[in-house]
Amino acid sequence: QVQLQESGPGLVKPSETLSLTCTVSDGSISGYSWSWIRQPPGKGPEWIGYINDRGNTDYNPSLKSRVTISVDTSKSQISLNLRSVTAADTAVYYCARGGFYNFYWGQGTLVTVSS
Amino acid sequence: EVVLTQSPGTLSLSPGERATLSCRASQSVSANYLAWYQQKPGQAPRLLIYGTSSRASGIPDRFSGSGSGTDFTLTVSRLEPEDLAVYYCQQSAVSPYTFGQGTKLQIK
Repeated sequence: QVQLQESGPGLVKPSETLSLTCTVSDGSISGYSWSWIRQPPGKGPEWIGYINDRGNTDYNPSLKSRVTISVDTSKSQISLNLRSVTAADTAVYYCARGGFYNFYWGQGTLVTVSS
Repeated sequence: EVVLTQSPGTLSLSPGERATLSCRASQSVSANYLAWYQQKPGQAPRLLIYGTSSRASGIPDRFSGSGSGTDFTLTVSRLEPEDLAVYYCQQSAVSPYTFGQGTKLQIK
């Protein structure tokens, strides 16, 4: 069964860029869509966006001006960059396989935005 | 943006009982793009139901989904203690994809 693992800094300063990587265990990155979803502490999930198997992306308009999702097939990794972060971006960040539905999820990584 | 409103906020039932969770959309959603997720404490969400009524791999048949248009339902028959979780509906028919605020299922 495919496993996803998010990695990156757990603490980011306000106005800086949050950068996370999701590594796919079995290398099966091609041919699938990949999503990023976040969940602020004590709240419900929020869809950030996805990238499909042709490299096309769709982002949540609330984040669109600050977010980039990309894929590195040679490393079996999906990346998330979120620029100019504020405390409101503090959340557990998940990567997941699938665009419309997310059949497989990583365990999530908590990112705190604080000086 | 499609707003999903889930009810009730909290549901407290005994093992063996039947749970009915509701998800109402602010506009009509294609049944092909309505999903339900289960999130246990400290874990990532897990896909239960997609396309309104199709169970994801490994999901017991105690979980079933139904609905159309703006009203969708997740039913858990014969509750078990392990069903303690928050359940979210999600629509992926219209971007941005959105989640409901969740229903917390407590087992007495």
